[in-house]
Amino acid sequence: EVQLVESGGDLVQPGGSLKLSCAASGFSFSSYEMNWVRQAPGKGLEWVSYIASSGSGIYYADSVKGRFTISRDSAKNSLYLQMNSLRAEDTAIYYCARNLITGGTYPAAFDYWGQGTLVTVSS
Amino acid sequence: DIVMTQSPDSLAVSLGERATINCKSSQTVLYSSSNKNYLAWYRQKSGQPPKLLIYWASTRESGVPDRFSGSGSGTDFTLTISSVQAEDVAVYYCQQYYSSPPTFGQGTKVEIK
Repeated sequence: EVQLVESGGDLVQPGGSLKLSCAASGFSFSSYEMNWVRQAPGKGLEWVSYIASSGSGIYYADSVKGRFTISRDSAKNSLYLQMNSLRAEDTAIYYCARNLITGGTYPAAFDYWGQGTLVTVSS
Repeated sequence: DIVMTQSPDSLAVSLGERATINCKSSQTVLYSSSNKNYLAWYRQKSGQPPKLLIYWASTRESGVPDRFSGSGSGTDFTLTISSVQAEDVAVYYCQQYYSSPPTFGQGTKVEIK
């Protein structure tokens, strides 16, 4: 059974930093492209970042470019999101999501999602 | 970025009745060389993550009931629930993955009348 479990969400002050983790199991993590998608309270879905299976291809939404860094560790079957210079508008549930399409070079549809971890940016 | 616009924003349907949700993209999401529409549909129940229902505009994800169907091509798409069940109360999102960044519609809330 495919499982994605996020952790690391917390209350942080504006300008602060946080690192999210996503532990993957039940599939060959090293073969799949992965993404972070977020959802502000009561709002819709926003794609945040993508990383290729090899880790070589990386994309970010304009809203987080230069502040967030996605990475992965295939030995630990884990995906990460380092978030710096956090703003109030980054407050959201952050979901780890698996790319439907394997072997591609871009974010696609997302066939498995974790339960999410809540990041709150407030003073 | 491709803008996805869903209609209506909400709808109330009686149990067993048909529900239709529309999604329009600001530019085509049909890749001509493969003749595939890069369009997905998700259902998000309250307090849960989204669940993939449909991809390539009309391919049902494994395990998704056949009362869910997707149609359309180019810029105009439809998700149909042929006979709404109580467990279909949720917000439904369309998403394009034709170009990066992938973008979602604003969501359509389905309730029981």
